[in-house]
Amino acid sequence: QKEVEQDPGPLSVPEGAIVSLNCTYSNSAFQYFMWYRQYSRKGPELLMYTYSSGNKEDGRFTAQVDKSSKYISLFIRDSQPSDSATYLCAMRRGGSEKLVFGKGTKLTVNP
Amino acid sequence: GAGVSQSPRYKVAKRGQDVALRCDPISGHVSLFWYQQALGQGPEFLTYFQNEAQLDKSGLPSDRFFAERPEGSVSTLKIQRTQQEDSAVYLCATQRLNTGELFFGEGSRLTVL
Repeated sequence: QKEVEQDPGPLSVPEGAIVSLNCTYSNSAFQYFMWYRQYSRKGPELLMYTYSSGNKEDGRFTAQVDKSSKYISLFIRDSQPSDSATYLCAMRRGGSEKLVFGKGTKLTVNP
Repeated sequence: GAGVSQSPRYKVAKRGQDVALRCDPISGHVSLFWYQQALGQGPEFLTYFQNEAQLDKSGLPSDRFFAERPEGSVSTLKIQRTQQEDSAVYLCATQRLNTGELFFGEGSRLTVL
């Protein structure tokens, strides 16, 4: 079993839909949680960064961390065609610089 | 430059050839990381430098893989005697010190025939 599990999709939604992406993990030592967006043939870019449990909102994006369930989520409101990309969750332990990524979920938002 | 620059963007090698992949970091970023991303997978950690010191190389898959950053700036990832399973995108990332945010380059796509 991998340390971080993420459903690869693909996920296809109409423009304006609310998108829910999630990851589960097995290592309770993870303390820092991130979501990256990766367009085709590009490097990942950071979308959201949270420490420990709780919610964080940035514009149309909301990240949630539930450490008791070892479950993290990313919500995208009013999704746009430009949101079409692969979304990667990533996490790391305190005191470690090494990120552990999920497999990525490929999202398509149809106009 | 403004971002992390990697070269070559695409490399085709015959099995058994040696390859060298270069990463030019964002100026002033002291931490540099290499990740390997196979098709349809998330990136996997290979190695990490702080300035010229290689602090963690636990992710290098075999002794055919070697990374260096001799002057604490440009880094090179070398793969000797390439195998088909080495085919992947090799991503370099550098880290902003005060936020810990990683900035990734566009990657070097290696295909081993």
